[in-house]
Amino acid sequence: AQKVTQAQTEISVVEKEDVTLDCVYETRDTTYYLFWYKQPPSGELVFLIRRNSFDEQNEISGRYSWNFQKSTSSFNFTITASQVVDSAVYFCALSERGSEKLVFGKGTKLTVNP
Amino acid sequence: DGGITQSPKYLFRKEGQNVTLSCEQNLNHDAMYWYRQDPGQGLRLIYYSQIVNDFQKGDIAEGYSVSREKKESFPLTVTSAQKNPTAFYLCASSPRQDSTDTQYFGPGTRLTVL
Repeated sequence: AQKVTQAQTEISVVEKEDVTLDCVYETRDTTYYLFWYKQPPSGELVFLIRRNSFDEQNEISGRYSWNFQKSTSSFNFTITASQVVDSAVYFCALSERGSEKLVFGKGTKLTVNP
Repeated sequence: DGGITQSPKYLFRKEGQNVTLSCEQNLNHDAMYWYRQDPGQGLRLIYYSQIVNDFQKGDIAEGYSVSREKKESFPLTVTSAQKNPTAFYLCASSPRQDSTDTQYFGPGTRLTVL
């Protein structure tokens, strides 16, 4: 069965600090996809990244980077030099090939203080 | 602009009433989804549709109904049978009939039962 755990419920940092959001997943499938979404206070979920299980290369997009490690079943997300606009709830999600569902973690609320 | 629209943004319902939440997309996506979000929780799947005139129950379908008469529209009705309907409802769509494809979300409808 698919499961996503985001152990950090809330994180608070000061602007310009780096912050890492943890995501641990469980799956029995060898082919699966992992996602990160951002939910700002407005409520809409914004897609950030999609990664398949065969691509373990880390990815960097501006101040955002993702570390995918199959050995530890983790897909962690790091924001470098955080900004107040990064304040949001961040969700990690998992979908197995052949499954008809996208399973979400409970989210991590990030607050970046000026 | 292409995207997903949901209306209304806020909805108030009296106990015993049915209400319908609108979701429209002009992205020409095949699949559409409805999720429910409760405070401090991840998203839970209510219903999904991979093709017109067909839809499947998600994890928490009891008390809800949907229709998919047009590719671009997937309305959700919250019936009086739903015991605790106060929540934030999010609609999503994805290009293909595949849960591993990226889902894009609308702005959400916040439903409150008075």
